[in-house]
Parts: sequence; C-alpha cells; structure tokens
Amino acid sequence: GAVVSQHPSWVICKSGTSVKIECRSLDFQATTMFWYRQFPKQSLMLMATSNEGSKATYEQGVEKDKFLINHASLTLSTLTVTSAHPEDSSFYICSARGLQGARYEQYFGPGTRLTVT
Amino acid sequence: QKEVEQNSGPLSVPEGAIASLNCTYSDRVSQSFFWYRQYSGKSPELIMSIYSNGDKEDGRFTAQLNKASQYVSLLIRDSQPSDSATYLCAVNMFESNTGKLIFGQGTTLQVKP
Repeated sequence: GAVVSQHPSWVICKSGTSVKIECRSLDFQATTMFWYRQFPKQSLMLMATSNEGSKATYEQGVEKDKFLINHASLTLSTLTVTSAHPEDSSFYICSARGLQGARYEQYFGPGTRLTVT
Repeated sequence: QKEVEQNSGPLSVPEGAIASLNCTYSDRVSQSFFWYRQYSGKSPELIMSIYSNGDKEDGRFTAQLNKASQYVSLLIRDSQPSDSATYLCAVNMFESNTGKLIFGQGTTLQVKP
C-alpha cells in the first residue's frame, strides 16, 4: 500500500504551548488528507478534512481556532494544536487519500502520541 | 442509530479457525467499504476494500458485501495469533467525492494458540 509518514511520532509538551504535527504522503499525491483523534479504547474520531490549497472543513464540536490545519501541497498537511491542555492528550492520526489504480483509497500515517503535562 | 455498527467483541477463535467479522451501515447510498486492522498503540492499516456486491478475496481475507441488506463482513481463514487486533469497518457514505469515511467502533479479535 501507499506510504504516509507523520512527524513527530510522539511529543510531550507543557500546558499552554503549541505543537505542530506533520503528515506527508511519500509516494503519491494526496488531494485530500484527514485528521483523526483517538482516545484509549475508543474508535477514530474525524476532526477535519483538509484539501490542498483550501481551508479545512472541521467536524462538529472541533474548534478550528484550536486545531489549525494547513494543507500547503499535495504531499503535506500540518495540524497545530494551539494552547494545548492535558485534555488534548491523545493519539493523533492523519490519513491521505490517493488514487490507487482506478479507485481512491485512504492510507493512515503511523500516528502521533501527544501528552500535555 | 449509529451510522456504522460493529460488535465490539472480543471475538475469540482458536488458531486455524475462521474468524467472521460483521458490520452494518445505515446509509443506502454508500458506495465504498473498507476494512482496517489496528494493533494496540498503532494506527489503522488498510487490509481490504470492496465496492460491489459479492465476495472479494485476498489471501486469507475475504470481504463480503450485500448492499440490499446494508451489510459488509470480513472472513479471516486459518486465523493466526498475529491476526489478534481490532478490526475497523469504514464506509464512504456520501455521494460527494470527499472520501470522508465513517468508522465503526471496531471489533477486537483474539486468536488463541
């Protein structure tokens, strides 16, 4: 399958600081990337849909001013958690949607584990 | 009613048996269906996609789709302990081409040696 990378794989930050997470599609162009959050023993929760060159579409209940998303190119999207608080501690996973043969499929990055102290 | 439903399990099968994982969805216009495997602490990995009614086989995995019944399943033959994971069913429900997936809560599979 296609390769999607995320950086960093884990990060610990102090409450009130901001953290940037990068998502890259390494071997295909991704017109759309998605950002998910997953708390322990729960399923994936979609936070936002990111399209290259346009503003992200946020899911209901997700604060767009707190979770800043930038999709500057067809291979890179970033998520910035601003003024992080302990309740933002979670596993953040991006996915990239690309054309595989005649179909679009979605591949996940390895995830970023964020701990806010 | 949840949009994509799975039995959370755990589903426990002995090594070598067939594991059957089920998923139902609510939106009749859904077109694309996916099964992801997620090991504890890791991100999901795409293992099967299916778009048409019927069966699709890939190695030990078979996906089955019945759009009339709004039902998709995953069969794992000759189950191995390494198959122990959470299996997520995902559905692209919307006719627009955003690719937005709705996930079920996942079924935890335990394959016992």
